Amino acid sequence: DAKTTQPNSMESNEEEPVHLPCNHSTISGTDYIHWYRQLPSQGPEYVIHGLTSNVNNRMASLAIAEDRKSSTLILHRATLRDAAVYYCILRSMNTGFQKLVFGTGTRLLVSP
Amino acid sequence: DTAVSQTPKYLVTQMGNDKSIKCEQNLGHDTMYWYKQDSKKFLKIMFSYNNKELIINETVPNRFSPKSPDKAHLNLHINSLELGDSAVYFCASSPTPLASNTGELFFGEGSRLTVL
Repeated sequence: DAKTTQPNSMESNEEEPVHLPCNHSTISGTDYIHWYRQLPSQGPEYVIHGLTSNVNNRMASLAIAEDRKSSTLILHRATLRDAAVYYCILRSMNTGFQKLVFGTGTRLLVSP
Repeated sequence: DTAVSQTPKYLVTQMGNDKSIKCEQNLGHDTMYWYKQDSKKFLKIMFSYNNKELIINETVPNRFSPKSPDKAHLNLHINSLELGDSAVYFCASSPTPLASNTGELFFGEGSRLTVL
């Protein structure tokens, strides 16, 4: 499985934008980039995913570098509820049964 | 209604005992998973079933035996519990196997197993 590298932790203030980086220098052309987050004492939840183009949804935006070797999850206005561990995961689009491999993620702390 | 529900939420037991964790999803999904999150918070896949058939079986001790009576249920039975089995076990589901969908998994809230 292609590897991702994320900072262990980041801090933000409430209502400020947050940019969570992820490096995936060994990404292949058939790998999707997924982001999940895990709130305290809960299971992970899907946030967003993309392949080459930037993506937006109600939760966040995903900015993908032109060479696809890095990506950034953008929370436009952090709230206290966004404090969680954020996981950047690569998933191959090749056929066959697949699995999501979670790394150590980035713990986001949000201050009031 | 909870989409993916697990029972029990907490389980405390002695070494050597046998225990089961149950999982049910009401999303109509075909594929279900068990993940284990250890004390260091690493989240690792254990098993995956698609329409009651085992499709992913990671390197897990034989003491762990999943069972899927129908596609809405995936139970995890653990024999001869050991201290190292203490962890949070998460059940998840997806509409189809990951290769053919958006890659979105829906997780339950977890079952915290403590082995004394």
